Formats: sequence, C-alpha cells, structure tokens
Amino acid sequence: DGGITQSPKYLFRKEGQNVTLSCEQNLNHDAMYWYRQDPGQGLRLIYYSQIVNDFQKGDIAEGYSVSREKKESFPLTVTSAQKNPTAFYLCASSPGDRGNDGYTFGSGTRLTVV
Amino acid sequence: AQSVTQLGSHVSVSEGALVLLRCNYSSSVPPYLFWYVQYPNQGLQLLLKYTSAATLVKGINGFEAEFKKSETSFHLTKPSAHMSDAAEYFCAVTFSGNTGKLIFGQGTTLQVKP
Repeated sequence: DGGITQSPKYLFRKEGQNVTLSCEQNLNHDAMYWYRQDPGQGLRLIYYSQIVNDFQKGDIAEGYSVSREKKESFPLTVTSAQKNPTAFYLCASSPGDRGNDGYTFGSGTRLTVV
Repeated sequence: AQSVTQLGSHVSVSEGALVLLRCNYSSSVPPYLFWYVQYPNQGLQLLLKYTSAATLVKGINGFEAEFKKSETSFHLTKPSAHMSDAAEYFCAVTFSGNTGKLIFGQGTTLQVKP
C-alpha cells in the first residue's frame, strides 16, 4: 500500500543537539510538506518542496533545515538554533500540480527536549 | 488572501446527538475545501473534500459537509455522534493555481459525552 512513513515515532533531544526526522513516501507525489503542531496552535508550515532539489520556507522555518535529494524523501533537521523544539511534527505529501487532491499525512514524530 | 476560520475550538455533544462543526473560508477564486480528522498522537486523515462537483459531499464514518458559496461556509455534520468520533477536526482550503498548498483552520476538538 502506498503511504507516508515518518520515523522515529518518538525522539528525544538534548540541549544543543541537532536531530533529523525522516519522511519517506511511495505515492509518487511531487510535493512534500513539514508542519509543526503545538496544543491550541493548529498546524504551522515549516518548509515545503514542490520538486526535487528545490524547497521553500514556510511560516516558521527559523531553526530548521531540509533537503530534497530524492522525490521519495524529505528529511527535516531540527537544529540547536531552534530554542523550543518540543512539538509534534507532521509530514505530508500531495501530487502538487492540482489543488483538488489534498494531502496525505504521515503518522507524526513527537520530539521532546530533555 | 485566502483563509479559513473554524468557529469554536471545542465542541461537546452527547452520544447520539447531532454533530455540527463550523468552517468559513475566504477566497477570491473558487475554492477546494477539505475536512481532516486527527486522533491523539496520529496524523491527519481525510474525511471528505469539495472540488466543485456536488455541493453536498459525503465522507467516511457518516460525516458530510455542504458547500454554500453565498455563506462562504463548509460546515461538517453527522446526524448521530459516536464515542469514537471524539477527535480534533481541521478544515482546509486551497484553490486552482496554488500548487496544492493547503491553508488550515485552527482545529476544533470534538468531545462526545456518554
């Protein structure tokens, strides 16, 4: 079955560490997205990519970095510059060239600073 | 600018009662509209979508929504709530030419009381 796989499901980060969240899709979707979810704040867009080797900042990109070297993969790195990284992170994908397909979401990664 | 507003961050209903979750959108061009559901510690799952065909859209789990252009609304309803419907619900909008990028509402948490 096609879908999006996020790993790990739970991740713990020490102060000053960089950590990378994995997102892989086998839906042959062109576009991929990363969102951050905090209680009471809905979904906030971090980065998105509409094509391989290209990506754009979303609303809260500071302290995060991404790469899109392969169509199937869109990893997110939470750097030490992100001062409040504890949150639930969601990856999504869409065909990208039309508006009427919506997103397919992964099951999320919960990141906690210890 | 396109936007979406969900009225009521928390809605509480009794089991068997009508569920009504409100969503209003702002768009200068014909929109595509979506409802997603999120269970705790999971990703978002598509409930239903409106893409300019029938204005009354039926989705999974007995939910439906009606697109009303004159009211710029896309409210989600279910005739009889089940305990398993307790979750967070997100309304989202996009439009042709936006390359599929969704704009999400802040979410509504549905509580179902026995």
